[in-house]
Amino acid sequence: LAKTTQPISMDSYEGQEVNITCSHNNIATNDYITWYQQFPSQGPRFIIQGYKTKVTNEVASLFIPADRKSSTLSLPRVSLSDTAVYYCLVGDPYNFNKFYFGSGTKLNVKP
Amino acid sequence: DAGVTQSPTHLIKTRGQQVTLRCSPKSGHDTVSWYQQALGQGPQFIFQYYEEEERQRGNFPDRFSGHQFPNYSSELNVNALLLGDSALYLCASSLVAGGLDEQFFGPGTRLTVL
Repeated sequence: LAKTTQPISMDSYEGQEVNITCSHNNIATNDYITWYQQFPSQGPRFIIQGYKTKVTNEVASLFIPADRKSSTLSLPRVSLSDTAVYYCLVGDPYNFNKFYFGSGTKLNVKP
Repeated sequence: DAGVTQSPTHLIKTRGQQVTLRCSPKSGHDTVSWYQQALGQGPQFIFQYYEEEERQRGNFPDRFSGHQFPNYSSELNVNALLLGDSALYLCASSLVAGGLDEQFFGPGTRLTVL
């Protein structure tokens, strides 16, 4: 089971781009990288998933280097409503997983 | 289309009691996972059910058990409750054959053990 390491917290200001990096040194060949967002007293919400290089959707981009031992979630032009905890997960989506959330990164967006 | 629903919303029990939490997955989903989230911590994986069988299990004692019904809904049972079982219990559903590790989470059940 590939575990992940993320910064405990990050601060940013409205309108800035935020990059959150996750380390997953023992990622397996079949593993994908998935990011979730969680607001207080709510269940996590899927943000983005990728295997290699770059993935982009309407809310974020995910950058994965060739060795896949880390990944970076990029949030463009954050707003106050992006204040939340962000989790990086690693696992094989084509098999049953023991999903390990870790402690996540608490992003605090300031006005 | 309803998302993942859980019941009850809140629950208060005393030590030694037993509790059953319920989850209905998102329409079209066939896999249900359960998580325990203590205050200030990330969700901890309890187990996952598919085709009415437990497919994966996290590091939780046998006091935690589950069940999945033919309609894909699921129950989480906890016996002999301890104070440390107080937490938010989250249910997530997904489509195992979808190839996308996107889990949809319910709002959770807040369990307080006194």
